[in-house]
Amino acid sequence: KQEVTQIPAALSVPEGENLVLNCSFTDSAIYNLQWFRQDPGKGLTSLLLIQSSQREQTSGRLNASLDKSSGRSTLYIAASQPGDSATYLCAVMRRETSGSRLTFGEGTQLTVNP
Amino acid sequence: DTEVTQTPKHLVMGMTNKKSLKCEQHMGHRAMYWYKQKAKKPPELMFVYSYEKLSINESVPSRFSPECPNSSLLNLHLHALQPEDSALYLCASRHRGRGSPLHFGNGTRLTVT
Repeated sequence: KQEVTQIPAALSVPEGENLVLNCSFTDSAIYNLQWFRQDPGKGLTSLLLIQSSQREQTSGRLNASLDKSSGRSTLYIAASQPGDSATYLCAVMRRETSGSRLTFGEGTQLTVNP
Repeated sequence: DTEVTQTPKHLVMGMTNKKSLKCEQHMGHRAMYWYKQKAKKPPELMFVYSYEKLSINESVPSRFSPECPNSSLLNLHLHALQPEDSALYLCASRHRGRGSPLHFGNGTRLTVT
């Protein structure tokens, strides 16, 4: 059974700091890995998707890397802003005969202080 | 704004009520999902529909009954729920293919009294 772990569980940083969120997974036979952002009481917003054959993806101030063999991914946020405050979730997708299944980590709650 | 629309946003129901949650997307996605999320926990998969057919049921109790009437709509029928079923219910959809992200709606906040 796939297990996804995110470290740290919570992070508080001053505005402008660069930061790294970590995600690890136990089964390297993944289809893709996604990073999501969730604001309180809201749905999830997809930030970046890395296919199993890719090493990294970038979008604006965000950069996500994937090392499938070691079961690790990182989300790098440059020049953090108070608006980045949210819970960040890592999820890995595995393709099965019955369909594609996404398994989530517990999330990292990020607070960026002005 | 999300491209996956869920209604209602909030729902309060008694344990003897029957209600339905609705989800709609017009992105041509053929895979649709129901997730349940408790406070400060990650979403838990409930059901997956692929081409309007139920492909995954994560051993969800029968008081939750999914339905996919067409490729744009997904319903979740609720009957005889328990207070512990109170949660945020999220719908999501995606195209097939490893490069296709999952798109989530904003969810329905369900309270069972």
